Amino acid sequence: DADVTQTPRNRITKTGKRIMLECSQTKGHDRMYWYRQDPGLGLRLIYYSFDVKDINKGEISDGYSVSRQAQAKFSLSLESAIPNQTALYFCATSDTVADYNEQFFGPGTRLTVL
Amino acid sequence: AQSVTQLGSHVSVSEGALVLLRCNYSSSVPPYLFWYVQYPNQGLQLLLKYTSAATLVKGINGFEAEFKKSETSFHLTKPSAHMSDAAEYFCAVSDQGGYQKVTFGTGTKLQVIP
Repeated sequence: DADVTQTPRNRITKTGKRIMLECSQTKGHDRMYWYRQDPGLGLRLIYYSFDVKDINKGEISDGYSVSRQAQAKFSLSLESAIPNQTALYFCATSDTVADYNEQFFGPGTRLTVL
Repeated sequence: AQSVTQLGSHVSVSEGALVLLRCNYSSSVPPYLFWYVQYPNQGLQLLLKYTSAATLVKGINGFEAEFKKSETSFHLTKPSAHMSDAAEYFCAVSDQGGYQKVTFGTGTKLQVIP
């Protein structure tokens, strides 16, 4: 029973195409995040959302947009994909109740832009 | 600004040997500290966390870490490596209070040699 799910798990697309990555969670958490992982660079934050009406840019938001359709759904869009957006993308959630920001991750989406 | 440095992008140990993965942090306020593990083709999962209680923190799968304020370190250890420990490990830091932004290290890949 996956608490945080991501679709698709793998995607190959071409330069210039629009693509959407989707994230759903059943944990009941208010906070959701999108990260990208590149070898040797760790995880870098793209966007984060504290609730449906609160969306914020992370450190590498250029070229990306997001939509928080409901508490449980947070999607990431690449309006015009480029090859250097080839990466592993993770969605994560966290709970505002806890005093610390422990994050719960989805399984990831491997995106290749040709 | 907070930051995390993981020394060694790749670490190899023999099965049964001590595992030591190094993490040093920088934070202007008392931090929360985390170790996450990523197995192949999976998302990150929490191994353990320091939340200003005991400085020696025990986690899952026999791992533990010690918070040393004077050394600004939070190294991860396991007395005896198992083949199933082969994975990538990420240290992370977040501030106490406020937004609790989480900053991840660049990761250390652990190889366990039979």
